[in-house]
Amino acid sequence: DAGVIQSPRHEVTEMGQEVTLRCKPISGHDYLFWYRQTMMRGLELLIYFNNNVPIDDSGMPEDRFSAKMPNASFSTLKIQPSEPRDSAVYFCATQTSANNEQFFGPGTRLTVL
Amino acid sequence: QQQVKQSPQSLIVQKGGISIINCAYENTAFDYFPWYQQFPGKGPALLIAIRPDVSEKKEGRFTISFNKSAKQFSLHIMDSQPGDSATYFCAASMLDSSYKLIFGSGTRLLVRP
Repeated sequence: DAGVIQSPRHEVTEMGQEVTLRCKPISGHDYLFWYRQTMMRGLELLIYFNNNVPIDDSGMPEDRFSAKMPNASFSTLKIQPSEPRDSAVYFCATQTSANNEQFFGPGTRLTVL
Repeated sequence: QQQVKQSPQSLIVQKGGISIINCAYENTAFDYFPWYQQFPGKGPALLIAIRPDVSEKKEGRFTISFNKSAKQFSLHIMDSQPGDSATYFCAASMLDSSYKLIFGSGTRLLVRP
C-alpha cells in the first residue's frame, strides 16, 4: 500500500484565494483525521470522519474551513477565503477501528501571502 | 482538562546517553497513551503506545513508563543514536468514545555523535 496520499505537497497562494487540500486514505481504513501543525499551536485536530461521516468538527477554526468525504477513498479540506494566519502544514491521517494506530500522510505545506 | 502537557521543549543528548521526555494529563478518562516520532518534512509515525493497565512497556531501546496515580507518563530512549534525532509527541485519547488524539506540544531531540 502506498500509505496516505496528500496533494498538493506545497501550496502558495494569496490572501483571499480558495485553497483545496486533498487526501486519499489507506484502503480499508474507516477513520480519517485532518490536523494542522504550526510552531505556535503544535498539532491540532480539525475534524475527523468515520465511514465518510463527520463525527467531530469542533477543531475547525471558523466557517472559512470546510471538509468533505464524498467516498471512502477521498477527502478534501477547503479554506475559503484563505488568510495569512492559515499558513501551516496540514496533515491527513487514517486508521482502522481494529487498530489504534493513526497513519499520517506526508502533509501539505500551505503558505498564504 | 483535555490538555496534555509535555516537557522539555528541546533536548540535547550525547550518543549512547538516555533521552527522557515527560508528559502529564488531567483527564482520568484517557485510556490510551501513544508516542509519535516525526522527522523533518514527514508526518508523525507511531513509535510506541501504552494502556493504563500496565506501568511500563518496552520495545527495543524505547520504553514508556506510566504512573496512573500521578497522571504522568514518560518516554525513555536508551543508547540514544543520531538517527533518533526528531521531534517526539506524546498523546492521549479515550478509546471507548473516540479515536480522537490530544497531542502534547512536542520535544525536539538532538543526539550528538
